Amino acid sequence: QQQVRQSSQSLTVWEGETAILNCSYENSAFDYFPWYQQFPGEGPALLIAIRSVSDKKEDGRFTIFFNKREKNLSLHIKDSQPGDSATYFCAANMGYKLTFGTGTSLLVDP
Amino acid sequence: NAGVIQTPRHKVTGKGQEATLWCEPISGHSAVFWYRQTIVQGLEFLTYFRNQAPIDDSGMPKERFSAQMPNQSHSTLKIQSTQPQDSAVYLCASSLLGGNAETLYFGSGTRLTVL
Repeated sequence: QQQVRQSSQSLTVWEGETAILNCSYENSAFDYFPWYQQFPGEGPALLIAIRSVSDKKEDGRFTIFFNKREKNLSLHIKDSQPGDSATYFCAANMGYKLTFGTGTSLLVDP
Repeated sequence: NAGVIQTPRHKVTGKGQEATLWCEPISGHSAVFWYRQTIVQGLEFLTYFRNQAPIDDSGMPKERFSAQMPNQSHSTLKIQSTQPQDSAVYLCASSLLGGNAETLYFGSGTRLTVL
């Protein structure tokens, strides 16, 4: 049973568009939600994160929108660049353990 | 800071052979995690050490997988009698204290292929 779900396995956008990656979770006890970015041949790296007490977190071109009542969140990548092409993992944290979704592979076409 | 170092980068074994994967966490980090990554399952938690002590191995297949952390500078994941379904990228990560909302720093992984 997947506790963290990412609705799209892959997504393609044109350069300059806003990419929207969606995520949902089941366990209401999760209280911290990071997004990790992974390039081929590398390990995942933290991109941006939000705590459950907030509904929005912005860092440059990256924004997380969080809906605690609906148990979902989304990552918006504004003005997408070819260098943003990567796999994005939504994760949820309770205590020390991070539970990951299966990832969304983003391709930004120039 | 070299980051988390994993060796080897690639390992090919025959069915039934043993595989040992190595991880060197970031110096000063007291928490070490092992994850397994496949296309189908994504990133699955395997096991967690804090201050070298095993804390949680709930994700480890019980019979053939074992993990150790003999000192603060390295951890090993051993898979006995490897099977084709063990083929995956095994990722090691470390964090400062292993607490809530801490950043995990991942190594580049070891790609295990079982023929």
